[in-house]
Amino acid sequence: GAGVSQSPSNKVTEKGKDVELRCDPISGHTALYWYRQSLGQGLEFLIYFQGNSAPDKSGLPSDRFSAERTGGSVSTLTIQRTQQEDSAVYLCASSPDSSGANVLTFGAGSRLTVL
Amino acid sequence: DQQVKQNSPSLSVQEGRISILNCDYTNSMFDYFLWYKKYPAEGPTFLISISSIKDKNEDGRFTVFLNKSAKHLSLHIVPSQPGDSAVYFCAASGLNFGNEKLTFGTGTRLTIIP
Repeated sequence: GAGVSQSPSNKVTEKGKDVELRCDPISGHTALYWYRQSLGQGLEFLIYFQGNSAPDKSGLPSDRFSAERTGGSVSTLTIQRTQQEDSAVYLCASSPDSSGANVLTFGAGSRLTVL
Repeated sequence: DQQVKQNSPSLSVQEGRISILNCDYTNSMFDYFLWYKKYPAEGPTFLISISSIKDKNEDGRFTVFLNKSAKHLSLHIVPSQPGDSAVYFCAASGLNFGNEKLTFGTGTRLTIIP
C-alpha cells in the first residue's frame, strides 16, 4: 500500500481481555517496528522485525506481549490479559531495510484503552 | 534511563519568528539523528536528519545543528508558520554497532501564534 496501515484505530477493552493489533507495512519494506506512546511519554520501542524474524524484542514490557510477522508483510501485536497500564497508542513503522540511514515511516497508530 | 532527552515539553513562538527545539543525548555511540513531527491522531512523519559526520543539515525552512562534543542537537524553523504547530520528536540511532531501532525523546509541543 501507499502507507503503513494499522487497525483498529481505536480499541476499548476490559482489563484481563486479550487484544490483537494489526500492522500492514509499506509494500516491499523488509523492516517493521512496533513502538508505543503512553500519555505524556515519548515513543517507546517494543520490537523490530527483519523479514519474519525478530532480532530485537528487547522492548516488550512483559511476557503478556508478543508479536509475529508472516510473509514478510503483515504483523500482529498481541497483548494478553490486558492491564490498565497497557493503555497507550501503539505505533507501527516500516523501512526498506534495517541497514544504513534509518528513516521509519509510521502508521497512524492504534489507540488502546483498557478499562 | 532516558538516552535522548527533550527537556522542554512545550514552546510557543510568534508566527514569522524562529523556532528552536533542543535535544540532548547521552549515548556517545549514537551517530545518526532525526527529527519527526507529529500531528494529533496521526503517526510521526520524518522531517530532517543528520549524520554525525556533519554539524549542520538544511532543508528549506528547517535546519538541524549537531554539537557532538556537547551531545546536543537542535532544530531551527525559520520563519515559523501556523502549520508548524505540532509535537516534535528527536530520535537517534547507532549505525556503527548495528542498532537499527530509533530511540526517541519525549517530544516538544510547538505552538505557533498567529
